[in-house]
Amino acid sequence: DTEVTQTPKHLVMGMTNKKSLKCEQHMGHRAMYWYKQKAKKPPELMFVYSYEKLSINESVPSRFSPECPNSSLLNLHLHALQPEDSALYLCASSQDIGRSYEQYFGPGTRLTVT
Amino acid sequence: GENVEQHPSTLSVQEGDSAVIKCTYSDSASNYFPWYKQELGKRPQLIIDIRSNVGEKKDQRIAVTLNKTAKHFSLHITETQPEDSAVYFCAASISGGGADGLTFGKGTHLIIQP
Repeated sequence: DTEVTQTPKHLVMGMTNKKSLKCEQHMGHRAMYWYKQKAKKPPELMFVYSYEKLSINESVPSRFSPECPNSSLLNLHLHALQPEDSALYLCASSQDIGRSYEQYFGPGTRLTVT
Repeated sequence: GENVEQHPSTLSVQEGDSAVIKCTYSDSASNYFPWYKQELGKRPQLIIDIRSNVGEKKDQRIAVTLNKTAKHFSLHITETQPEDSAVYFCAASISGGGADGLTFGKGTHLIIQP
């Protein structure tokens, strides 16, 4: 299995809602990432998990809360989002850290905040 | 942090011709340079990558060159086909795509004219 999966594909939520995005990979990768991509823009790094520990937080607001329950799963918990948070949220994984391993992206969750 | 510049933002070529996209990076410690292709509404897909100990890499119609001294790298697509139409992103990373995440260029919209 060489794929990263994400659920849901689409999500519409109000500014007072709490929701979660899920990402899963079964490639045995030990590094997982969340990126945010606005329309016609490149992906922007949000968080990096390495061996299930948060390695990098790119100054992301606390209304985004990542969680890595195990080496195959990565969640992004959302609370009190703003309309400007509407974007495509991409999960990615790579084999390991400390070397130039390829990153593979999931299909993304398209989030709309109303 | 790393800064990646990408040019041009839009590139239109006749089918069968070659296309070249150029990127520069700012951090001389960067050592991994992947290229991603993203079709509308789809995930970024890795098409080729190069590491800092290599000057050129080729995979069928696609090639990437790296000039570490000048801190720039380029994507070359020969014999372009309609299915090459997409947005292409270059990226750079320190210690690879391991735990450090990727910094992307702004993207090039490649249009293949029939």
